[in-house]
Amino acid sequence: AQSVTQLGSHVSVSEGALVLLRCNYSSSVPPYLFWYVQYPNQGLQLLLKYTSAATLVKGINDFEAEFKKSETSFHLTKPSAHMSDAAEYFCAVSSRDGGTALIFGKGTTLSVSS
Amino acid sequence: DTGVSQDPRHKITKRGQNVTFRCDPISEHNRLYWYRQTLGQGPEFLTYFQNEAQLEKSRLLSDRFSAERPKGSFSTLEIQRTEQGDSAMYLCARNQGNGGELFFGEGSRLTVL
Repeated sequence: AQSVTQLGSHVSVSEGALVLLRCNYSSSVPPYLFWYVQYPNQGLQLLLKYTSAATLVKGINDFEAEFKKSETSFHLTKPSAHMSDAAEYFCAVSSRDGGTALIFGKGTTLSVSS
Repeated sequence: DTGVSQDPRHKITKRGQNVTFRCDPISEHNRLYWYRQTLGQGPEFLTYFQNEAQLEKSRLLSDRFSAERPKGSFSTLEIQRTEQGDSAMYLCARNQGNGGELFFGEGSRLTVL
């Protein structure tokens, strides 16, 4: 079975500050890992994905995430927050063989203040 | 544009009524997924199709829920005898290639009064 735990349901940062959103996963098989962003009343947009090529993954809008197998983590970071980053962020896991659907965490709401 | 269109975007209905949502992916012959998202929660998997075959159903998909994908193109999700607990956003998604990622539509929000 696979699962994802997102630590912190709400994170607040100032504009220009570092963004760190935490995600830990559990998987009995080698995983694919994803981060999605959701703006109000919209669907989910893929930010980045880890599929075993490189442990440090770069995504859109200067977000990146690092896969750490020893820590079973896939934390999302961004060096400098922008007001437009305020949204809901979801971490998700699936199996590499495509045998399972994406399993999502409960999400982290990012607030950015000026 | 994620290549997934959903209709209607918002549906308000009274308890006990039936509702149907439609999902149109940009291309056929790939996997199509349905998820449910309630307020403050992440999307929860409901079911998925490979072409017209429904390959997996979550235990969340009660007998009142039925999904179809005739001819492996568009898909419908019907909820019979709606309950207030069915109020949620229903998301449809397609896969692309073997990378595992899903591309989501903007969802159909159901409000049951």
